[in-house]
Amino acid sequence: GAVVSQHPSWVICKSGTSVKIECRSLDFQATTMFWYRQFPKQSLMLMATSNEGSKATYEQGVEKDKFLINHASLTLSTLTVTSAHPEDSSFYICSASGLPTNEKLFFGSGTQLSVL
Amino acid sequence: SQQGEEDPQALSIQEGENATMNCSYKTSINNLQWYRQNSGRGLVHLILIRSNEREKHSGRLRVTLDTSKKSSSLLITASRAADTASYFCATPGAGGTSYGKLTFGQGTILTVHP
Repeated sequence: GAVVSQHPSWVICKSGTSVKIECRSLDFQATTMFWYRQFPKQSLMLMATSNEGSKATYEQGVEKDKFLINHASLTLSTLTVTSAHPEDSSFYICSASGLPTNEKLFFGSGTQLSVL
Repeated sequence: SQQGEEDPQALSIQEGENATMNCSYKTSINNLQWYRQNSGRGLVHLILIRSNEREKHSGRLRVTLDTSKKSSSLLITASRAADTASYFCATPGAGGTSYGKLTFGQGTILTVHP
């Protein structure tokens, strides 16, 4: 099956710094990747759709300047949390559509972000 | 807004028992999917059932879909401690698009006691 690699698994940073999270499709080309945010014991909230070679599409209420998404190649999408604050602490998960129908998603292992 | 609503929110059973989780959705869909998430990990796709299917099996998993009631159920038979996880239903975005944009239900936390 398709493999999606997400790094880092966890990160602790100081308030005001920026954090970059990488999401790679290892054995397939992902023209579209998705970034989700998840709070403890809650569901996944879609933040944005990352499209290779074009601007990301953000969901309502998600700050574009806060959560920068770059999808520079068919195998890599990055999420940068800029000027992180404690309220940005959360579990962030990326996913990519799988071939051949792009119907189901393959997920990275997630990144636990803790902002001090 | 969340498309899927699941119940129960939490389910605790003994090994060997069956576990049933339900999911309801609001709009028309062309498929419904179930995912599993171990604590602190990403999600793993379990099964996809299409709108023209009523039941589907995969190993110890059995999924039903009732489009008239806009509901689905996931049954795990002969549960094991290793089945302990959160289970989510997911449906495609508005318009039934199938390019991977999914909306997830609230999830059911399943605990299987040895």
